[in-house]
Amino acid sequence: GAVVSQHPSRVICKSGTSVKIECRSLDFQATTMFWYRQFPKQSLMLMATSNEGSKATYEQGVEKDKFLINHASLTLSTLTVTSAHPEDSSFYICSARRRGLGGELFFGEGSRLTVL
Amino acid sequence: GQQVMQIPQYQHVQEGEDFTTYCNSSTTLSNIQWYKQRPGGHPVFLIQLVKSGEVKKQKRLTFQFGEAKKNSSLHITATQTTDVGTYFCAGPSAGGTSYGKLTFGQGTILTVHP
Repeated sequence: GAVVSQHPSRVICKSGTSVKIECRSLDFQATTMFWYRQFPKQSLMLMATSNEGSKATYEQGVEKDKFLINHASLTLSTLTVTSAHPEDSSFYICSARRRGLGGELFFGEGSRLTVL
Repeated sequence: GQQVMQIPQYQHVQEGEDFTTYCNSSTTLSNIQWYKQRPGGHPVFLIQLVKSGEVKKQKRLTFQFGEAKKNSSLHITATQTTDVGTYFCAGPSAGGTSYGKLTFGQGTILTVHP
């Protein structure tokens, strides 16, 4: 079946550094991917929609300069958390929809970011 | 804006008891999806309901879509410890231009005591 892979699964960084998270669709092309943020025991909050070959669409309240999204190919989207601070610590999950398989989303394994 | 509300937030049951989580949308939905997220894991698609009044079953899980297409429920019969996790409902985001953009409910965290 369709698989979405996310890397790294865990990352710990110092405050002020930038962290890049990759999201790959392994066996299908994804023109659109979605990035979510999830706090412990809470729901999935959509951060942005990543569009291949064009700018990402950010949700209200999400800083585009803080969370840089690049969707350079049909199988790869990246999320870069710039100048990370402890409040950016969270679980980041990407997802993609495979055309022809209905509306279901395939989620990556998630990346747990801890900023010290 | 569009809201998808889910209750209860937490549910603790003894193994063998039944469990139900309810989902209500502030707007009419073209479809509703259900996902399960195991502790420490990522959401996994369970099912999609499209038709008004639709009922679908997956073994011990029964999914319903309301007649008005604004509410849905997931019922698990005779829970097992493998049912532990968070169950999310999700509907297409209102006004969204990206196909596949979903609004998720808050989720119901299910704990099953052996």
